[in-house]
Amino acid sequence: GNSVTQMEGPVTLSEEAFLTINCTYTATGYPSLFWYVQYPGEGLQLLLKATKADDKGSNKGFEATYRKETTSFHLEKGSVQVSDSAVYFCALSDPNNAGNMLTFGGGTRLMVKP
Amino acid sequence: KAGVTQTPRYLIKTRGQQVTLSCSPISGHRSVSWYQQTPGQGLQFLFEYFSETQRNKGNFPGRFSGRQFSNSRSEMNVSTLELGDSALYLCASSLIPSGRQETQYFGPGTRLLVL
Repeated sequence: GNSVTQMEGPVTLSEEAFLTINCTYTATGYPSLFWYVQYPGEGLQLLLKATKADDKGSNKGFEATYRKETTSFHLEKGSVQVSDSAVYFCALSDPNNAGNMLTFGGGTRLMVKP
Repeated sequence: KAGVTQTPRYLIKTRGQQVTLSCSPISGHRSVSWYQQTPGQGLQFLFEYFSETQRNKGNFPGRFSGRQFSNSRSEMNVSTLELGDSALYLCASSLIPSGRQETQYFGPGTRLLVL
């Protein structure tokens, strides 16, 4: 079956540091890949997505590139802010399913200190 | 445009009871999905509805059920509650069920505590 593996957190960084959160996946075919962010007490917000190999998704300074050869979709940001503190989830949509079912990774908590 | 709304936001029940959670999608959205979030199992897909029909179902026991109404609002029901059902239940909506292209918008969730 499909699966998503993320690096375990928490990841603690100082403000303006470089961020990388690793995400690898297992799926048949060509899934679409997503990063969602969850702030305390809230639901999930879509951060960025990529629907085919070599696509780069970007939003609010975050970027991730769909790498089919390494089955990865690592999240990066050049300079984090305290307001980026949240839990980040990598997810994929099943290419063999026409619906909206998402498979999520376990989440990575990011803590940014001033 | 209003976002996805879920009611109630918090709920406390005892084992053996049943519970119904409600989700109102963004106006115009016709696909609604439900997820369970727990510290141990993470985010797990429950089911998806489109045009009042269940399109997909996750690996959950039959105690978990749902439905969708003609106005796209959805409800999920859990019968004979167990302690392990304590979780944050998230609802997501999108225009149509096309996972590859459609963005799903999540509600704030309903936090259920089973005592």
